[in-house]
Amino acid sequence: KQEVTQIPAALSVPEGENLVLNCSFTDSAIYNLQWFRQDPGKGLTSLLLIQSSQREQTSGRLNASLDKSSGRSTLYIAASQPGDSATYLCAAGDYKLSFGAGTTVTVRA
Amino acid sequence: NAGVMQNPRHLVRRRGQEARLRCSPMKGHSHVYWYRQLPEEGLKFMVYLQKENIIDESGMPKERFSAEFPKEGPSILRIQQVVRGDSAAYFCASSPDTYGYTFGSGTRLTVV
Repeated sequence: KQEVTQIPAALSVPEGENLVLNCSFTDSAIYNLQWFRQDPGKGLTSLLLIQSSQREQTSGRLNASLDKSSGRSTLYIAASQPGDSATYLCAAGDYKLSFGAGTTVTVRA
Repeated sequence: NAGVMQNPRHLVRRRGQEARLRCSPMKGHSHVYWYRQLPEEGLKFMVYLQKENIIDESGMPKERFSAEFPKEGPSILRIQQVVRGDSAAYFCASSPDTYGYTFGSGTRLTVV
């Protein structure tokens, strides 16, 4: 059974600082790894999808890496802004995603 | 493309009533998934459906819960005889293949 862990559970940074969010998973035979953003009381917004054959994906200020051998993925958010405040979730799996508990990010203006 | 549409957004039911949650996938997506987010817990997989077929229902409680995705119309998650422990946010997602999820905004069920 795939177990996904996210550290830290919460993070508070001043505006402009780079963010580093960590995700670890127990089964290295993952199919895909996907990062989501969830705003309070809202749904999930897909940020980046890394297929198992890929090492990283980039979109704007976001970059996610995947290291299957160590069972880790890292989401980098460059030059954080207050609008980046949200809970970030990583999920691993094929059609059945196993989610981490999330990292709640607060970017202080 | 309107995205994944879920309704209602909020649903209040008394204990013992039935709850019906609807999900219309994105255009072109034939794979539908339901997840549940209990208060202070992470999202948990419930069921995976394709048109007229349940592919994997390993995350569904054995009793009172059922799901369908008919040939025509939205996918329905049905909860019979709701109890307080069913209060949660229920999210639907769809994908064109078995990856690349798009989630809906969820239905927040409150059982009173």
